[in-house]
Amino acid sequence: SAVISQKPSRDICQRGTSLTIQCQVDSQVTMMFWYRQQPGQSLTLIATANQGSEATYESGFVIDKFPISRPNLTFSTLTVSNLSPEDSSIYLCSAGGGVTDTQYFGPGTRLTVL
Amino acid sequence: RKEVEQDPGPFNVPEGATVAFNCTYSNSASQSFFWYRQDCRKEPKLLMSVYSSGNEDGRFTAQLNRASQYISLLIRDSKLSDSATYLCVVNRDSNYQLIWGAGTKLIIKP
Repeated sequence: SAVISQKPSRDICQRGTSLTIQCQVDSQVTMMFWYRQQPGQSLTLIATANQGSEATYESGFVIDKFPISRPNLTFSTLTVSNLSPEDSSIYLCSAGGGVTDTQYFGPGTRLTVL
Repeated sequence: RKEVEQDPGPFNVPEGATVAFNCTYSNSASQSFFWYRQDCRKEPKLLMSVYSSGNEDGRFTAQLNRASQYISLLIRDSKLSDSATYLCVVNRDSNYQLIWGAGTKLIIKP
């Protein structure tokens, strides 16, 4: 299994600002994913972070709002731009893919927008 | 219809009881199936993968019925530490994306 770290673990941001979340994996992985989880809800996939190409976004999520970088096989960032209170959520990075499709998660970033 | 549907919760069961979770999925082309566990304010953690022949890991047994597009998880001799939300997860297609059920919350009472 992969060990994944995320930072920051939490942040409180003002409306209109941006937050960049970093995700580091302890080994090279094919696929990295970014999810959002609202309180009491299940996970919603934001995008798949592809190494060497643009991220693939799910319906309802756009690059201007959630730009993603994937400069190498162990690291990715998600930026949540132009923050509004509706962006308050937990953002989770995961890594995995391959034959088994198993994904392992970072500890998450808890974002509160005032 | 949701792509992955789970029993609504919460399930409140006494310690030592057997509890079963059910899950159905809509994409007949799905090939990978998982149960994840998520503790309060923590990230999801893989509990077990689900194989066509069914598989068991200690007190946990997972079953897959492809014809009915149905997955189950059985927990025997439940412990207080089993209290968590259990998430049924299915892959969408060959690009490794996973579709997550809404989760079933389990509360084990002493």
